[in-house]
Order: sequence, then structure tokens, then C-alpha cells
Amino acid sequence: GQSLEQPSEVTAVEGAIVQINCTYQTSGFYGLSWYQQHDGGAPTFLSYNALDGLEETGRFSSFLSRSDSYGYLLLQELQMKDSASYFCAVRNRDDKIIFGKGTRLHILP
Amino acid sequence: DGGITQSPKYLFRKEGQNVTLSCEQNLNHDAMYWYRQDPGQGLRLIYYSQIVNDFQKGDIAEGYSVSREKKESFPLTVTSAQKNPTAFYLCASSIDTNTDTQYFGPGTRLTVL
Repeated sequence: GQSLEQPSEVTAVEGAIVQINCTYQTSGFYGLSWYQQHDGGAPTFLSYNALDGLEETGRFSSFLSRSDSYGYLLLQELQMKDSASYFCAVRNRDDKIIFGKGTRLHILP
Repeated sequence: DGGITQSPKYLFRKEGQNVTLSCEQNLNHDAMYWYRQDPGQGLRLIYYSQIVNDFQKGDIAEGYSVSREKKESFPLTVTSAQKNPTAFYLCASSIDTNTDTQYFGPGTRLTVL
């Protein structure tokens, strides 16, 4: 079957660093994407990794290991506005995007 | 401004009625998608369209129908055959189906009474 696994919830302190992991099992793989969704809002694209390694975009970084079918999203210098749900997603060989169930990030002051 | 719009934001319907959700984009994207999101769940694909006048079923197409008569528009009809239609519905678009980056509309929260 096809699945993406990520923790349901993560809690961190404002100003700290947090890592959200994602493991995947899909038919075909092109790359791993990450989306952010605030309560009641629409998902917004954060990052995409097609190759192994770390991609950095400001306070957010994303990592991929294709051999381990694993990736993570790293958020640095956490701010209260980062409180949201984060979804990993992959495109399978049928060109369908499969989403994980999301990780709800709670940030404590 | 380019973007993707959905209307209405909130929709209430009586059980047994069909309802159509609107989705429009002016990004000149070929591909469009409809997802359903339930509380605490990820996004599940209902239907997608790679090009005008063409669409394919996603993972949970039963009880739903779509049309793609124009590149800009991809309306979703929730029929009375859908057993549990109350959910948050999200429309998205991408340049094409070979592209992983999707742009989402603000969503329509449908409540069936």
C-alpha cells in the first residue's frame, strides 16, 4: 500500500528548534513536499526535495534520504505564528499527490 | 492578483440535496484537484483534472461528480449518494500533474444537516 507516516503532534518552545519527521511508502517517488496549514485555512507550500540532502529556505529547512524513504522538516527560531499543522506529501507514479495525516505543532511561550 | 478562489466559504444543506462547490483559478494552470479534509486527517483526493474536458477519479470519488469545461473552472458536486458529506473541501491547482507544487484555495466548509 501507499502511506506516509508523521507524528500527530509535536510541542516546542518559542525560539527553539523542532524537527518533524516523515517516512513514506509509495509506488514510485519523485520527491517529498511539505505544506503548512493554519486552523481553518488552506495549505501553503513550504518546500520540495527531489534529491538527497538539506534544502534551506530562511528559518525552514527540509531534508530527504531516498535510500531510507525518510525526510524531515526543520523549523528554527520558532515563533508563535508557526503554530499550525504540517503535512508531508509525495507524488506517486500515477501522478497523484499523497498527503500524510499531518503533524500539529504546538508552540509554548 | 493571480490565485485560486472557492465559494462559498461556509455552506449548509439539507440531507438528500445535491450541492455544487465552486473553484476558479487565474494562474493558467492545466491541472486542478479536489480534496476532502476531515478533522485530524490529511487531505484525501476526490477528483483531479489534467486538462480541459478531462478528469480522473481520486481515492474517494464515490458520491461526487466534477466537470472541466473551462481551464479556469473545476466545480465539484456533492450528490445525495455521498454518505457522509460534512467536511472541509479544498480545491488546488498546479502547472501540470508532473509538478509537485500545488496552490490551494481557501476551502469550503460544507455542513449537511
